[in-house]
Amino acid sequence: AQSVTQPDIHITVSEGASLELRCNYSYGATPYLFWYVQSPGQGLQLLLKYFSGDTLVQGIKGFEAEFKRSQSSFNLRKPSVHWSDAAEYFCAVGAPNSWGKLQFGAGTQVVVTP
Amino acid sequence: DAGVIQSPRHEVTEMGQEVTLRCKPISGHNSLFWYRQTMMRGLELLIYFNNNVPIDDSGMPEDRFSAKMPNASFSTLKIQPSEPRDSAVYFCASSPSSGANVLTFGAGSRLTVL
Repeated sequence: AQSVTQPDIHITVSEGASLELRCNYSYGATPYLFWYVQSPGQGLQLLLKYFSGDTLVQGIKGFEAEFKRSQSSFNLRKPSVHWSDAAEYFCAVGAPNSWGKLQFGAGTQVVVTP
Repeated sequence: DAGVIQSPRHEVTEMGQEVTLRCKPISGHNSLFWYRQTMMRGLELLIYFNNNVPIDDSGMPEDRFSAKMPNASFSTLKIQPSEPRDSAVYFCASSPSSGANVLTFGAGSRLTVL
């Protein structure tokens, strides 16, 4: 069975500082990997995805993520955060050809301070 | 494109009442998903449809929950009778068959059962 772990429940970062959110997954092969962001009172928005190929993927809003097979990780990064990046971030894993059935992590709440 | 449309956005009801949540997926998307989000359990997949047919309903908590998709542009999630522990945000998401797991979420329906 597939599973996703986001070790950090809550992260506080200063505006302009770099951000890294951790995600570890458990799956028998290479899964499809996703990062979604949820702003208060809103639905989830896709930031980026990894299916295959280049292990460094670029997403929207200046985010990137790196797939590391050896570490079963898919960490999300942003070089310089903006106050508008305050939100909850979810890592998700899906089996290829599973029609969109995703397993989500518990989420990481990001707070941005001035 | 108006995205995935859910209604109502907020619902407050009393225990024992019937609740119906509605979803209009993105036109052309063949798969539709219902997720539930709570503080305790995070995001849980309840059921998903492909081409209007339920594929996996193993996440539906119990017989009080039912979901239908009578056509490609409409789905309902019904709870009868509702209980306080059903209080949560219910998300609908859709994906194109060619989009391999890329879900677009609606804004959610926040349900409070008193």
